Amino acid sequence: KNEVEQSPQNLTAQEGEFITINCSYSVGISALHWLQQHPGGGIVSLFMLSSGKKKHGRLIATINIQEKHSSLHITASHPRDSAVYICAGSMDSNYQLIWGAGTKLIIKP
Amino acid sequence: DVKVTQSSRYLVKRTGEKVFLECVQDMDHENMFWYRQDPGLGLRLIYFSYDVKMKEKGDIPEGYSVSREKKERFSLILESASTNQTSMYLCASSWTELSYEQYFGPGTRLTVT
Repeated sequence: KNEVEQSPQNLTAQEGEFITINCSYSVGISALHWLQQHPGGGIVSLFMLSSGKKKHGRLIATINIQEKHSSLHITASHPRDSAVYICAGSMDSNYQLIWGAGTKLIIKP
Repeated sequence: DVKVTQSSRYLVKRTGEKVFLECVQDMDHENMFWYRQDPGLGLRLIYFSYDVKMKEKGDIPEGYSVSREKKERFSLILESASTNQTSMYLCASSWTELSYEQYFGPGTRLTVT
């Protein structure tokens, strides 16, 4: 069964801390997506990666294909980073995404 | 910029009413999706469509139907709304290639009383 498991479920940190959210996925998933959802609903795609590392501002996403593991890092975290972060896997043969349960991140000032 | 719009941000309906949720995308995407999102359960796929007039059931299709008469528009229909269909409904669209990155609408928070 294709699965994506995400941890932790909830994370609270102080402003400025380095944040890591983890995602493990099963065989068959060829790319990993990271998305962000702020309170109020809208979901925004942050990264899609199938190998290596991507960076956008203070956000960094990495993927280890051998270990089937991806991480999302936030450097110098800020209260505006507070959101739900979701990882999702895609397969070459299917345009559906396999969704993780999400990590609710709260950054306190 | 890809734009996915949904007909309402908030909707309140009575039990038994027929409810239409509409989604429109402006990027000529082949694929369109309807999800519902509930606390603790994450995103669950209701239906998706990979072409005009084509549809496939997702994980939780019971109580819902869909319509895709034009490529840019995908409608979710609740034939007879029930209180357990109170939820956030999210529409998304994607190309068939480009690793299927999905673009989301703002969501419709539906309350059935």
